[in-house]
Amino acid sequence: ETGVTQTPRHLVMGMTNKKSLKCEQHLGHNAMYWYKQSAKKPLELMFVYNFKEQTENNSVPSRFSPECPNSSHLFLHLHTLQPEDSALYLCASSLGQSTYEQYFGPGTRLTVT
Amino acid sequence: DAKTTQPPSMDCAEGRAANLPCNHSTISGNEYVYWYRQIHSQGPQYIIHGLKNNETNEMASLIITEDRKSSTLILPHATLRDTAVYYCIVRVVFGNEKLTFGTGTRLTIIP
Repeated sequence: ETGVTQTPRHLVMGMTNKKSLKCEQHLGHNAMYWYKQSAKKPLELMFVYNFKEQTENNSVPSRFSPECPNSSHLFLHLHTLQPEDSALYLCASSLGQSTYEQYFGPGTRLTVT
Repeated sequence: DAKTTQPPSMDCAEGRAANLPCNHSTISGNEYVYWYRQIHSQGPQYIIHGLKNNETNEMASLIITEDRKSSTLILPHATLRDTAVYYCIVRVVFGNEKLTFGTGTRLTIIP
């Protein structure tokens, strides 16, 4: 238990669906992150939020839309995804964007059919 | 560009010390060495970090060579629950640099 929770843990969606992934941290952190982990590939950073402001978008397609309403919650809105978007989506948080440790949630296993 | 080089896989007998090497020959003076691990189908877990001195915590020890071009993560008494992919990462702490994961070392603890 890292203090970072993600829901749902598993999601199957069609290419025309719209769904959202949710991340919540109970650590009092100010920075939150979305990562993507595809099969047999390293983790890829997608987005970074620091004090609710997006500070990094790592050339992510617009079919992924992040939202950070407050420092404790982070969402990833998904629409018109492709099968190659199937992956493990991981949320992480850290005290600040420049601090040592990031704490990761368990991830959402997404399958796009 | 890969900043670190790790062996793709290693085995270690249960109860023995697991020594995981990492080469980071181009490390800069202000870059720290971090270790994370990822147990199958879970999120990565922070283990330890260091700049130039050896470090120890409840999970592991980190030995950094004097020239800082390589390091070794030591799990002193490996258990089956230590089976995971271990990532060695170098990163500047202050300056918002990203945490960039490579392919890591898949450590298998053998009963």
